[in-house]
Amino acid sequence: EAGVTQSPTHLIKTRGQQATLRCSPISGHTSVYWYQQALGLGLQFLLWYDEGEERNRGNFPPRFSGRQFPNYSSELNVNALELEDSALYLCASSFQALAANEKLFFGSGTQLSVL
Amino acid sequence: GEDVEQSLFLSVREGDSSVINCTYTDSSSTYLYWYKQEPGAGLQLLTYIFSNMDMKQDQRLTVLLNKKDKHLSLRIADTQTGDSAIYFCAATGSGNTGKLIFGQGTTLQVKP
Repeated sequence: EAGVTQSPTHLIKTRGQQATLRCSPISGHTSVYWYQQALGLGLQFLLWYDEGEERNRGNFPPRFSGRQFPNYSSELNVNALELEDSALYLCASSFQALAANEKLFFGSGTQLSVL
Repeated sequence: GEDVEQSLFLSVREGDSSVINCTYTDSSSTYLYWYKQEPGAGLQLLTYIFSNMDMKQDQRLTVLLNKKDKHLSLRIADTQTGDSAIYFCAATGSGNTGKLIFGQGTTLQVKP
């Protein structure tokens, strides 16, 4: 069974550009989560999608946005890129919402570099 | 607020036991998790424990939870060089937020 897959593996952008990151959850999982792992800042919760709806977002500006498609895959969009957006972006999925004794399974991440 | 803290570094000899410690602040956290991250990779779920348990064993891994002190530990028996990685402790946030609160990660170095 395939795990959580993310693309691209690496992405290089310049300041002011937009980045689109993609995630496919484990088959049967309906909840998708995005986390940012920046050097020195640890793992920070970005967004949670469940059944196509945004359920919660972390303390990030509105230029971080995303969506979940009918097949439960998800996109993270980062507009007006800033140097400090350089980080590893991790996607995770779970069968149901996290509170229901669910486990998060993570992908390998997209390393975004903003020059 | 919600916070999870870990020591940053642990060095052990191959064959010894490793104990990685974690403290959390939110007493309503219902599940606590341990993840492993190898260089250039995502997070691998190692084990988790429900807050009404005080111990869970899974092969070489033992998780101990002291709910009163909000202290969680992960013991790795017979540590191998392949166990070298960063280990993250994580706790569910209060309410159904879909959020895990992660510690800063403990880098485990295993010397041959």
